[in-house]
Amino acid sequence: DTGVTQSPTHLIKTRGQQVTLRCSPISGHKSVSWYQQVLGQGPQFIFQYYEKEERGRGNFPDRFSARQFPNYSSELNVNALLLGDSALYLCASSPDLNYGYTFGSGTRLTVV
Amino acid sequence: GQQVMQIPQYQHVQEGEDFTTYCNSSTTLSNIQWYKQRPGGHPVFLIQLVKSGEVKKQKRLTFQFGEAKKNSSLHITATQTTDVGTYFCAGLRSNDYKLSFGAGTTVTVRA
Repeated sequence: DTGVTQSPTHLIKTRGQQVTLRCSPISGHKSVSWYQQVLGQGPQFIFQYYEKEERGRGNFPDRFSARQFPNYSSELNVNALLLGDSALYLCASSPDLNYGYTFGSGTRLTVV
Repeated sequence: GQQVMQIPQYQHVQEGEDFTTYCNSSTTLSNIQWYKQRPGGHPVFLIQLVKSGEVKKQKRLTFQFGEAKKNSSLHITATQTTDVGTYFCAGLRSNDYKLSFGAGTTVTVRA
């Protein structure tokens, strides 16, 4: 059984550009969450999706959006990139809302 | 909003010694989860505590959930070099299932 897969692993973008990050959860997991982790800090909650519906949103600007597809995979979109968006973006899946998360290896985004 | 605080931020331990890291939430939690992140890696799920006063053990690691379901601790005995990393607690709110992470305790081990 494969784990949570994220793509791409690394990305360099210019300020003002847009980026799409992708996540495939573990087979059978219905919940997918996105987190932003800045070096030296804990993961910060961005979005949670369960059964293809948005169930929660963290304190991030509207430039951040996400969706979950019928096969439970998910995309995170960030528009009008700022230097401060540089971070490790983590996707996590779980079987249901009350279970521990399995994290992917993340996408390292650098905005220059 | 919910705040999850962890102390200490850093823990420097002599190999073979014990230490404890603490986690406190500003709100009552549905459950609390602990994760370990090695340098350059991603968080890895260790355990979940659900019941008030619950205690769980994993080899040299002992996890405890407070009676009020607002605090938790992780105690590691006989620290080894393999324990190096950052340990995060994460509290799950019951009203919206939002999982909030603390800032973590980064553990280094002196051989």
